[in-house]
Amino acid sequence: AQKITQTQPGMFVQEKEAVTLDCTYDTSDQSYGLFWYKQPSSGEMIFLIYQGSYDEQNATEGRYSLNFQKARKSANLVISASQLGDSAMYFCAMREGYGNDMRFGAGTRLTVKP
Amino acid sequence: NAGVTQTPKFQVLKTGQSMTLQCAQDMNHEYMSWYRQDPGMGLRLIHYSVGAGITDQGEVPNGYNVSRSTTEDFPLRLLSAAPSQTSVYFCASSRGSQGHAPLHFGNGTRLTVT
Repeated sequence: AQKITQTQPGMFVQEKEAVTLDCTYDTSDQSYGLFWYKQPSSGEMIFLIYQGSYDEQNATEGRYSLNFQKARKSANLVISASQLGDSAMYFCAMREGYGNDMRFGAGTRLTVKP
Repeated sequence: NAGVTQTPKFQVLKTGQSMTLQCAQDMNHEYMSWYRQDPGMGLRLIHYSVGAGITDQGEVPNGYNVSRSTTEDFPLRLLSAAPSQTSVYFCASSRGSQGHAPLHFGNGTRLTVT
């Protein structure tokens, strides 16, 4: 069974600095997708970034990038130039192959300090 | 641009009562799912469906029932509410269920069982 681990329950970062949120995963499938979602205090789930298992380049979306290390089975989210609005819960998720569900890690609460 | 619509936003039930959480999507997505979110546990999958007429169990299906009679709708039924079902419930959908397909979430239903 797939498993997602986020080892940092909470993180603090100074405004304008970069921060890395850790995610490791466990799967025996060769084909899978890795996702990061943001959940602000208002509660909605916002899709941030996707990385495919066969993608050779790390995914980037604006200030978000995904540091994908396939051999280590890690998919860390890097947020550059943190803003106060980045304060939220962040969830790492994985989806295997075809016809499968998406499983989530326990999340990391990020607080950006002014 | 409705996306995924969940109703109600809030609900209070007494132990033993039954109710249905509604979920509808207007994106013609084949895949739909229900998650519950509890503090420190991330999102856990309750049930999912890969198309009309097809449903399957996730990690925590006990006490819940689903059906998928149309592509658009995927209601979640609580058969006999228990305090352990106090949680925030999210409905989500995706175009297909391949590993690269991100989930689109509704805004959640906060359920309290007393």
